[in-house]
Amino acid sequence: ELKVEQNPLFLSMQEEKNYTIYCNYSTTSDRLYWYRQDPGKSLESLFVLLSNGAVKQEGRLMASLDTKARLSTLHITAAVHDLSATYFCAAPRRETSGSRLTFGEGTQLTVNP
Amino acid sequence: DTGVSQDPRHKITKRGQNVTFRCDPISEHNRLYWYRQTLGQGPEFLTYFQNEAQLEKSRLLSDRFSAERPKGSFSTLEIQRTEQGDSAMYLCASSLATGGRETQYFGPGTRLLVL
Repeated sequence: ELKVEQNPLFLSMQEEKNYTIYCNYSTTSDRLYWYRQDPGKSLESLFVLLSNGAVKQEGRLMASLDTKARLSTLHITAAVHDLSATYFCAAPRRETSGSRLTFGEGTQLTVNP
Repeated sequence: DTGVSQDPRHKITKRGQNVTFRCDPISEHNRLYWYRQTLGQGPEFLTYFQNEAQLEKSRLLSDRFSAERPKGSFSTLEIQRTEQGDSAMYLCASSLATGGRETQYFGPGTRLLVL
């Protein structure tokens, strides 16, 4: 059974600081997704990482994927308050024809002035 | 707005009642997924459709739950004889299966409270 673990689960940062969120998954997966969720809202797609070594950047967020280590990272550069949200990583099950996603517990990020 | 829509956005019901939720996916998307999210947790997969065919159901989907996608467009999720443990956010997502580059786009969710 695929398991996805994130750490840390809670992250309180100061503005302008850098930090990394880690996402480990238990079985082979060729893709990894990152989503953002604001309180009471739905999930917004941030990144789709499609292969080993993939790196994607959008603004102050950069995501990478190491399929051999079964590890993805979401790096935050010079955090700003607007980045406060919960971030989820998710991996699909390869053995099914669809792409049911298994999500991590989420990392609740708070950026303080 | 051409995103995924869900209706209703909020539902309060009494234990034992039946409820039905609707999801309208992005128009050209052939896959539609239902997830459930409880407070402080990530979404958990319930079921998914490719066109009108329901291809997979989670063990979380007890026999009180049923989902349909009759014409391969909108979908409904019905919960019969609701229990307090059914209180959660029910999320619908849709995608276009394109040989591995699939991204699921989520709707705003239906928040269910069972009293």
